[in-house]
Amino acid sequence: DAGVIQSPRHEVTEMGQEVTLRCKPISGHDYLFWYRQTMMRGLELLIYFNNNVPIDDSGMPEDRFSAKMPNASFSTLKIQPSEPRDSAVYFCATKDRGGWMNTEAFFGQGTRLTVV
Amino acid sequence: ILNVEQSPQSLHVQEGDSTNFTCSFPSSNFYALHWYRWETAKSPEALFVMTLNGDEKKKGRISATLNTKEGYSYLYIKGSQPEDSATYLCASYNSGGSNYKLTFGKGTLLTVNP
Repeated sequence: DAGVIQSPRHEVTEMGQEVTLRCKPISGHDYLFWYRQTMMRGLELLIYFNNNVPIDDSGMPEDRFSAKMPNASFSTLKIQPSEPRDSAVYFCATKDRGGWMNTEAFFGQGTRLTVV
Repeated sequence: ILNVEQSPQSLHVQEGDSTNFTCSFPSSNFYALHWYRWETAKSPEALFVMTLNGDEKKKGRISATLNTKEGYSYLYIKGSQPEDSATYLCASYNSGGSNYKLTFGKGTLLTVNP
């Protein structure tokens, strides 16, 4: 397996524009997580899915952020409209159905978003 | 909100030095502690998953210990090499509702100078 694949790797956009980040999970993994990495707050969980169903979106900062997982092979994180404070590295991570006591998260390489 | 703290925030060591850093986490309702290694421009990768008090795990020159009663874990690197330069992240899983969350610390950035 090629691992968790994220695209794009880098995105530079103007304030107010819509941004869509994409993630292809490892085949067979039941859980998908979207994280945001900033210097100030470290790695924060935004939302996670189990079997394509959103379970906890309490980390999504505001209504400008939305995430979907239409099937087991694909997820998107959308920001509309984007703002400079959204600039960060966004990671997608997946894991199999085992608990956190037995299994680890597998991360993609991240999307570095810059909103100017 | 869980608080996972890592120290130091960053450190520089010389090649060949041994080093260690700390992760502190809530001891209540504790289930698991993860260590990840994150090299620049790469994906964070799991080093260890630890659950039991007194656990000690080792992978090559890197080892980790776990104290669940007092809520801390140490990561040790013996004979640091430049390729060990990375950010080391720890993450705690504590029960408390139906959330399936790992809570990450901010990491320790290690730079090993040749």
